[in-house]
Amino acid sequence: GAGVSQSPSNKVTEKGKDVELRCDPISGHTALYWYRQSLGQGLEFLIYFQGNSAPDKSGLPSDRFSAERTGGSVSTLTIQRTQQEDSAVYLCASSRDRDTEAFFGQGTRLTVV
Amino acid sequence: DQQVKQNSPSLSVQEGRISILNCDYTNSMFDYFLWYKKYPAEGPTFLISISSIKDKNEDGRFTVFLNKSAKHLSLHIVPSQPGDSAVYFCAASAGSAGNMLTFGGGTRLMVKP
Repeated sequence: GAGVSQSPSNKVTEKGKDVELRCDPISGHTALYWYRQSLGQGLEFLIYFQGNSAPDKSGLPSDRFSAERTGGSVSTLTIQRTQQEDSAVYLCASSRDRDTEAFFGQGTRLTVV
Repeated sequence: DQQVKQNSPSLSVQEGRISILNCDYTNSMFDYFLWYKKYPAEGPTFLISISSIKDKNEDGRFTVFLNKSAKHLSLHIVPSQPGDSAVYFCAASAGSAGNMLTFGGGTRLMVKP
């Protein structure tokens, strides 16, 4: 597709369950980012993949959060043992390289009940 | 510790007038600044950027001004249109546009007809 695609668009899960969020970046983009936006808050950086380099995981809030990027393309963000404070919109973005702007997907709205 | 701050959570402007959105940063390593616009239920879309070697960048109705000594940037929209009503996020990165972005909390702009 032409843009960054995220799935699902909405996810409701019970507290304690694991969830996986998927991101398909724009084809050919080497950089991929995950951010989240909690209600009434700004965009919070989570993790950054750049080419074959080790990812920058400095924004992950706890060890329940992990992400991988397979084949330099699709990325999956996994949240284990979800908590209510994990409820947020999770946004994925990609950029062609280190010198170009990031383009965002529409996000996955996660609600933990 | 917020490194990028947007101190006005909301701004209301009359159609045809100028909208001025402000952003302050504290990290002197930031050298690339971007503005994103976000409509409800959509991901942020890139609007305009500026590198630290410039103090102004203009694109149609949108102009970004950078004052490095004050660590302050602003986005001017003139003339403002009702379709500009959205949340505007200021973002900063160190090194290049494609590096990890640090976002401000956003300013909700409302342009009244």
